Amino acid sequence: SAVISQKPSRDICQRGTSLTIQCQVDSQVTMMFWYRQQPGQSLTLIATANQGSEATYESGFVIDKFPISRPNLTFSTLTVSNMSPEDSSIYLCSATGGDSYEQYFGPGTRLTVT
Amino acid sequence: QQQVKQSPQSLIVQKGGISIINCAYENTAFDYFPWYQQFPGKGPALLIAIRPDVSEKKEGRFTISFNKSAKQFSLHIMDSQPGDSATYFCAATRTPSGNTPLVFGKGTRLSVIA
Repeated sequence: SAVISQKPSRDICQRGTSLTIQCQVDSQVTMMFWYRQQPGQSLTLIATANQGSEATYESGFVIDKFPISRPNLTFSTLTVSNMSPEDSSIYLCSATGGDSYEQYFGPGTRLTVT
Repeated sequence: QQQVKQSPQSLIVQKGGISIINCAYENTAFDYFPWYQQFPGKGPALLIAIRPDVSEKKEGRFTISFNKSAKQFSLHIMDSQPGDSATYFCAATRTPSGNTPLVFGKGTRLSVIA
């Protein structure tokens, strides 16, 4: 299994600012994913972070709003840009690695935009 | 995005009872079906998963039953305990999942009462 950590664990930000969330995996992984989860709701995939190439975004999510970096096989960042209160949510990083089908999640970053 | 339909939305079970959560999928290409357990303030944790070449998989008190012809799978929690109180998500993907993100159900909030 992979152990995934995220920073920060929570933050309160002002409208119009940006926040970068870091995701670190304890081993090299093939794919990393970023999800958003509203309280009491299911997980919504934002994008797939590919090492060495551009992230693949799901419908409704755009690179200008959620730029993603994947500089190596153990690390990724998600930036939430020009934030509004509607961006208040939990942001989760996950990863799959090697030949495993198993996908593991980080603890999440709880973002509140005021 | 292909759907995975999960029911019930919430479930209350007496301590020692059996908790049953059901999921149905549409995409016949799906061939990996994990269940995740999520406690408040935590990221989802992989609980148990099944491939369609078997009809049942058991790990401790947790069992997945899989019906390929009906495109349904379910999670059974035997001897349910208050510590099992959490939100459970079913998911599905087609392998290799490293390239294809998971599709999640909407979740079931389980409460086990003494």
